[in-house]
Amino acid sequence: EADIYQTPRYLVIGTGKKITLECSQTMGHDKMYWYQQDPGMELHLIHYSYGVNSTEKGDLSSESTVSRIRTEHFPLTLESARPSHTSQYLCASSPLETQYFGPGTRLLVL
Amino acid sequence: KNEVEQSPQNLTAQEGEFITINCSYSVGISALHWLQQHPGGGIVSLFMLSSGKKKHGRLIATINIQEKHSSLHITASHPRDSAVYICAVGYFDTDKLIFGTGTRLQVFP
Repeated sequence: EADIYQTPRYLVIGTGKKITLECSQTMGHDKMYWYQQDPGMELHLIHYSYGVNSTEKGDLSSESTVSRIRTEHFPLTLESARPSHTSQYLCASSPLETQYFGPGTRLLVL
Repeated sequence: KNEVEQSPQNLTAQEGEFITINCSYSVGISALHWLQQHPGGGIVSLFMLSSGKKKHGRLIATINIQEKHSSLHITASHPRDSAVYICAVGYFDTDKLIFGTGTRLQVFP
């Protein structure tokens, strides 16, 4: 079973607040990914990383930023949350091709 | 138009029925993934395949590269199989996956 964790699981926050969604994995995977998923819709890649100090933007434009200072940790930050950021955010990691997903964070911005 | 199309979008079944979910894609791929997403949101990888057929318990996944089509079958379905099943494809020149919108399966006792 994969060991990949996301916190918080649920977050309700007001417009304009800065938030950080945490993602950690204990498997030593170099590749990590952030996806955004609206209800009933497909997952869209918003950020990915191939290792420490490597980050790239995904296919879906996002106002969020990420960092990869340690292999096991890939946090996502929104400097000023807006209602349009309301969504589910899923983190994944991969040793090669199979991706292991975290439980997700459901974000609601009021 | 999504590059990955799944059908049906929604599926209901009685416990014990044989289930088939289909996935079609538009261009050549390196691998196809079947994922399961439960109501809580967590996603589990079920299969990754690039040719032929794979079986795990009551789940069977097949792929036809020439027809650019894959199917996920569930034999003797059970209410705990209720989830969204997602097809995703990967390409040779990138590690990124392209996802279908999923098939929502509900199995009733």
